[in-house]
Amino acid sequence: SQKIEQNSEALNIQEGKTATLTCNYTNYSPAYLQWYRQDPGRGPVFLLLIRENEKEKRKERLKVTFDTTLKQSLFHITASQPADSATYLCALDSLTGANNLFFGTGTRLTVIP
Amino acid sequence: DGGITQSPKYLFRKEGQNVTLSCEQNLNHDAMYWYRQDPGQGLRLIYYSQIVNDFQKGDIAEGYSVSREKKESFPLTVTSAQKNPTAFYLCASISRVGVGANVLTFGAGSRLTVL
Repeated sequence: SQKIEQNSEALNIQEGKTATLTCNYTNYSPAYLQWYRQDPGRGPVFLLLIRENEKEKRKERLKVTFDTTLKQSLFHITASQPADSATYLCALDSLTGANNLFFGTGTRLTVIP
Repeated sequence: DGGITQSPKYLFRKEGQNVTLSCEQNLNHDAMYWYRQDPGQGLRLIYYSQIVNDFQKGDIAEGYSVSREKKESFPLTVTSAQKNPTAFYLCASISRVGVGANVLTFGAGSRLTVL
């Protein structure tokens, strides 16, 4: 069965640095890989997605890469701010329906002022 | 503003009781989903519905039931048959499955605690 791993449960970085979160997967061939942000006690909010044939996607201070050979996505937040502190979830999307959308366990990012 | 409203935000249940979590959306989305979130685990799909009066079991449907009588509403009942119901429950929707990526819009969640 498919397996998704987000590299660490928690990541602490200093304000202004670049945060890099990792999402690795096995036994799956997603058409898209999505990233969501979740604040404590709230539902996840979609941030951005990347297609299988794209190497990199950017949105403001966010950058996502997707390597289908390594079966890995990297999520970068540049010039990090304390307001970026949250849990970030990756999700694999096969395009066959959200019943086949698989989520990782998330990485809790804390940006230290 | 369009979105998904879940209620109640917090719910306490005694053993042996059924409880119903409400989920209403005004996004005119076709498909709706219920997920369960536990610490250290990814979101797990309980039930989903792609059209009114039709719904399908997800990966962990045992002990749960749903209905989809209206496009806007997709309530989840946690029955007494669910052995470990304490969790954070999330309702979500997609505009139309099969048209582009399956980007989910989530509600704010309902936290159920069994006493």
